[in-house]
Amino acid sequence: QKEVEQDPGPLSVPEGAIVSLNCTYSNSAFQYFMWYRQYSRKGPELLMYTYSSGNKEDGRFTAQVDKSSKYISLFIRDSQPSDSATYLCARGIQGAQKLVFGQGTRLTINP
Amino acid sequence: EPEVTQTPSHQVTQMGQEVILRCVPISNHLYFYWYRQILGQKVEFLVSFYNNEISEKSEIFDDQFSVERPDGSNFTLKIRSTKLEDSAMYFCASRPEGQFNYGYTFGSGTRLTVV
Repeated sequence: QKEVEQDPGPLSVPEGAIVSLNCTYSNSAFQYFMWYRQYSRKGPELLMYTYSSGNKEDGRFTAQVDKSSKYISLFIRDSQPSDSATYLCARGIQGAQKLVFGQGTRLTINP
Repeated sequence: EPEVTQTPSHQVTQMGQEVILRCVPISNHLYFYWYRQILGQKVEFLVSFYNNEISEKSEIFDDQFSVERPDGSNFTLKIRSTKLEDSAMYFCASRPEGQFNYGYTFGSGTRLTVV
C-alpha cells in the first residue's frame, strides 16, 4: 500500500475560484501532515502543517484532515495567478526524520 | 529571510565519475537533509544528519552515497560513481531543533545530469 497518493493533475481554474487539492494516505500512528508549494526550478516551500483532524486556516489557505477517510485537503480561496505552482502533500511520523511526499498536483490559475 | 543555498545549480557529469553537491544550511539549524526528485516523480528522502552523524537514511542511500559536514557551515552529498539513474534534482533542507519536521527550509536544488 502506497503511503501518500496525490492526483498529479494538471488542474486549471479561473482566477478567483476556490481550489481543492487532495491526498490520501495509509494509516500510521503519531503522524502529521504538511502542504508544500513548489514553483518551477525552486525547492518546496512549506505552506501549512497539521497533526489533528479538522481544519486549520491561514489567510486564503485551509488545510483539512479527515482521519476517518484518510484524506487530507488544501483549499485555496480567491485564487490568484501567483498561486500557479505544484502543490505537494507530505506526511511525517513523530520520531522519524523522513517526510513522505505525494506526487504533487500542478495547478494553473488563469487570469 | 534566511535561505538554504545550494551549489551548483546544474551539474553535468559522465557516468562513473564522482560528484559533490554542496549546501549551506541556515546558520542556527541543527538538522540537515538531502532529498531527490527524479523528473516527473515524487520528492524522495535520502538521508538526515544530526549532531555530526547520519540519523536516518533510506534504502536509496547505499554505499555509493555519503554525506559530510566538513566545517561549521557546509553540508555535502557525495555520489561516488554516478549512474544514469542518479540524474535528478537534489534538494538540501535544514530545520531547527523541535519535535516535528515542521520547520523545514529547502534549497532551490542542484540539477544533476549524468551522461
